[in-house]
Amino acid sequence: DAGVTQSPTHLIKTRGQQVTLRCSPISGHKSVSWYQQVLGQGPQFIFQYYEKEERGRGNFPDRFSARQFPNYSSELNVNALLLGDSALYLCASSLVEGRYNEQFFGPGTRLTVL
Amino acid sequence: SQQGEEDPQALSIQEGENATMNCSYKTSINNLQWYRQNSGRGLVHLILIRSNEREKHSGRLRVTLDTSKKSSSLLITASRAADTASYFCATEDSNYQLIWGAGTKLIIKP
Repeated sequence: DAGVTQSPTHLIKTRGQQVTLRCSPISGHKSVSWYQQVLGQGPQFIFQYYEKEERGRGNFPDRFSARQFPNYSSELNVNALLLGDSALYLCASSLVEGRYNEQFFGPGTRLTVL
Repeated sequence: SQQGEEDPQALSIQEGENATMNCSYKTSINNLQWYRQNSGRGLVHLILIRSNEREKHSGRLRVTLDTSKKSSSLLITASRAADTASYFCATEDSNYQLIWGAGTKLIIKP
């Protein structure tokens, strides 16, 4: 059974551009979360979606948006890119939302903003 | 902002020795989870301990949780070269969101 997949693996953009990152959860998982991990730090929570609805949002500007599709895959969009947006973006899926829920992570998309 | 703080930031030990990492957090939690990350890539879930549990074992891993001190420890016994990785604690808050520490970088020397 395939794990969480993310695309693309690497991405290089320039300041001011827009980027879309994609995530496919494990089959049967209905919850997807997005995290930003800057080099040398732990992940920071960006969004959680469950059954196509936003269930949680971290402390990120409105330049960051996301959505979840009927097949539970998800996209993270970042507009007006800044140098500080350079990071590893991780997607995680879980079976349901709620307590005691193990999250399964994809390999991440490494975004470099020049 | 990050909830947890791991200690130490980096740890280098000989293969076969035990490795202990600590995590402190600030607010009340539903549970605390430990993850491993190799080479800055995806995270792998290791173990989850609920707020009403004090100790949990999984293979060579032992996790303790002290909610009165808001701290947890991860013990890896009989370390192997393959254990070389960064280890993160993450606390699940009342909104079911995971808040992460900055991690401990563990190096196992052969």
